[in-house]
Amino acid sequence: DAGVIQSPRHEVTEMGQEVTLRCKPISGHDYLFWYRQTMMRGLELLIYFNNNVPIDDSGMPEDRFSAKMPNASFSTLKIQPSEPRDSAVYFCASSPDRGREKLFFGSGTQLSVL
Amino acid sequence: GESVGLHLPTLSVQEGDNSIINCAYSNSASDYFIWYKQESGKGPQFIIDIRSNMDKRQGQRVTVLLNKTVKHLSLQIAATQPGDSAVYFCAETVKAAGNKLTFGGGTRVLVKP
Repeated sequence: DAGVIQSPRHEVTEMGQEVTLRCKPISGHDYLFWYRQTMMRGLELLIYFNNNVPIDDSGMPEDRFSAKMPNASFSTLKIQPSEPRDSAVYFCASSPDRGREKLFFGSGTQLSVL
Repeated sequence: GESVGLHLPTLSVQEGDNSIINCAYSNSASDYFIWYKQESGKGPQFIIDIRSNMDKRQGQRVTVLLNKTVKHLSLQIAATQPGDSAVYFCAETVKAAGNKLTFGGGTRVLVKP
């Protein structure tokens, strides 16, 4: 299996622009997570899905952030409008129903908002 | 709120020596713990896990110890190798609280040749 695939690997954008991050989870995994990593706050859970349904979005910082999972093999995290404080590495992770706590992470998207 | 070891210390280890990475957690209801390894430019990678009904668990060159009395977790790496250089995170979850892992701040391990 190729693992969790994220795109793009790097994104540089200007303040106010829309940013869309993409994730393909491991086939057969029922859970999908979006995390954000910064030096100041470490790894923070933004939202997670179970069987394509959002279960907990309490970590989503503001209404500027939204996430969707239209099918079992694809999810997006959108920031609109983006701000410099959104600069971080965004990770997508997935896990199976059995052993759901054992997350498999993608390589992340390094986002820089200028 | 709950927190898990919110610090980022650095541990310098001579190649071949054993490493011990420590983690404190604050939620006494936590019942499952995981150690992750994150290399530069990559996502965290699962190393080993332990449930709260255990005190010790061993893997290949790694051992996790859990002390629920003082809410402390440690990861021991035997015969540390250059490839072990990375940031190590402990994470905890409470099954009753759903499927949410809380990550600590991480420890950077530098292996000196």
